[in-house]
Amino acid sequence: DADVTQTPRNRITKTGKRIMLECSQTKGHDRMYWYRQDPGLGLRLIYYSFDVKDINKGEISDGYSVSRQAQAKFSLSLESAIPNQTALYFCATSDRTGGTEAFFGQGTRLTVV
Amino acid sequence: QKEVEQNSGPLSVPEGAIASLNCTYSDRGSQSFFWYRQYSGKSPELIMFIYSNGDKEDGRFTAQLNKASQYVSLLIRDSQPSDSATYLCAVESYGQNFVFGPGTRLSVLP
Repeated sequence: DADVTQTPRNRITKTGKRIMLECSQTKGHDRMYWYRQDPGLGLRLIYYSFDVKDINKGEISDGYSVSRQAQAKFSLSLESAIPNQTALYFCATSDRTGGTEAFFGQGTRLTVV
Repeated sequence: QKEVEQNSGPLSVPEGAIASLNCTYSDRGSQSFFWYRQYSGKSPELIMFIYSNGDKEDGRFTAQLNKASQYVSLLIRDSQPSDSATYLCAVESYGQNFVFGPGTRLSVLP
């Protein structure tokens, strides 16, 4: 099993619908991240959490919200999906001390029609 | 705003050649530097990390860091078609987030 698991892997949803992307990890890391990837734009940070009680906005948080339900779980919600939120979404984790790599989930391909 | 820049490519090299990928960053407080490889539609995977000025070698890969010039590079020797991918440079300041560059697409031609 993957250390960082994202569900669903693929999702097609309609404009205006609420959708939740889930991430769970077995690495025991405190830090969790949600990124969005669009062609040619690299990975852009949506939200991050350095521990269960810590939630921070990234560079593109508008239209998104998150919930850190436990150390191992970090969910991303699109309250009212719009077509320009069509993208590949990645969850990642890293160790609390910093200076160590980020581990990525398999990604969720979201299409908003 | 902290920025990481890379040439988007595509960078095309013949099989067996050396591929050189470059990255510059804006935050002088950056302490950790990472190179990830990403195949199309897949998640990024770590290739190399470097913390200190100089070179770090791992098999066919060499990472080079120059903090004074705010520059980090990745050399791939004896490039193979399987090396064809997008390479992401990531930078971290202690206690802060990772900042990723846009990636350089590498194509190794048989």
